[in-house]
Amino acid sequence: DGGITQSPKYLFRKEGQNVTLSCEQNLNHDAMYWYRQDPGQGLRLIYYSQIVNDFQKGDIAEGYSVSREKKESFPLTVTSAQKNPTAFYLCASSIREETQYFGPGTRLLVL
Amino acid sequence: GNSVTQMEGPVTLSEEAFLTINCTYTATGYPSLFWYVQYPGEGLQLLLKATKADDKGSNKGFEATYRKETTSFHLEKGSVQVSDSAVYFCALRRRDDKIIFGKGTRLHILP
Repeated sequence: DGGITQSPKYLFRKEGQNVTLSCEQNLNHDAMYWYRQDPGQGLRLIYYSQIVNDFQKGDIAEGYSVSREKKESFPLTVTSAQKNPTAFYLCASSIREETQYFGPGTRLLVL
Repeated sequence: GNSVTQMEGPVTLSEEAFLTINCTYTATGYPSLFWYVQYPGEGLQLLLKATKADDKGSNKGFEATYRKETTSFHLEKGSVQVSDSAVYFCALRRRDDKIIFGKGTRLHILP
């Protein structure tokens, strides 16, 4: 089955800790995206990548980092510089100029 | 700039009622328009889309028509079910492939 997987489903972060959220797709999509969703808000773009080994900042990139070493994978690291990391994180992928498809999400909570 | 405005929720209806969720957009050119649905604790799923003026997207009894003259893409369903309870997002795709989302409308259907 083709699709997008995100892990873990829930993630807990301690003060000052970096954590990494996984996103994998087997749809052969070139583009991948990370969004942050807060209660009652729409989705805000953190980072996106249109091709392997290249990525661009979205609207709220501060405190986050990404890599795109493989077409299938686009991990997101939430660094200690992100002071308000509690949110629902969604990964998406697409073929250029086509519909974006979303993973099931990771909920990040701060201990 | 590009933006999407959708009616604020929550919207509460009885089963079998008629549903309309309003969505208007601001954009340069003629963007593709989308409705996504998010069930509790899950990622977003594409519900329907329209790529040019007067196109009608439809899926699972939901419909939306791309109205260039009113810059609108209202979501409608003739008879809602309890299983339609979810958050609905209107969105547009910019020329650079970025998706702009509305803030979402929470829908509650009462049995």
